[in-house]
Amino acid sequence: DGGITQSPKYLFRKEGQNVTLSCEQNLNHDAMYWYRQDPGQGLRLIYYSQIVNDFQKGDIAEGYSVSREKKESFPLTVTSAQKNPTAFYLCASRGQGFYEQYFGPGTRLTVT
Amino acid sequence: AQSVTQLDSQVPVFEEAPVELRCNYSSSVSVYLFWYVQYPNQGLQLLLKYLSGSTLVKGINGFEAEFNKSQTSFHLRKPSVHISDTAEYFCAVEGNTGFQKLVFGTGTRLLVSP
Repeated sequence: DGGITQSPKYLFRKEGQNVTLSCEQNLNHDAMYWYRQDPGQGLRLIYYSQIVNDFQKGDIAEGYSVSREKKESFPLTVTSAQKNPTAFYLCASRGQGFYEQYFGPGTRLTVT
Repeated sequence: AQSVTQLDSQVPVFEEAPVELRCNYSSSVSVYLFWYVQYPNQGLQLLLKYLSGSTLVKGINGFEAEFNKSQTSFHLRKPSVHISDTAEYFCAVEGNTGFQKLVFGTGTRLLVSP
């Protein structure tokens, strides 16, 4: 079964700690994306990567970092510099020649 | 750059009634348009997309949408809703030249009651 997996489903951290969210896909897609979702605000793009070893900042990259060492994996680190990290985080991918993005199930991060 | 406006944050409707969820966009270039559905605490699933050609697009679960270039709209419709259609619906737009970001609206919550 092809798809995108995100783990864990729920994540709790104390303020001041860095935390890494996992995103893995077995769809052989080149492009991968990270979005943040807050109530009433839709989805906002954090980072995206079109090929391995390359990634670009999205609209709200401050306080986040990513890596793309493998085609299948695009982990997101939420650093202590992110002022308001509590949110629902969604990973997506898109295959070359396709127009739609495929989404993972999401990770809900709560920082207290 | 593109932007999307979903005019209704919440739409209540009775089961088996028709529904329309409104979406307007702005863009200086031609666009691709999408509707996604999100069930609680889940990811987004593509309902349908408009790339080119026929302006009436049919998607999954009995949904359809009509692209209206003059009114810059892409409204989503279903002739008869089910309880299981209760979810959040997102309209999204992407420019069709070069690499463009997918821009989402703020979502419309569809509440179907018996």
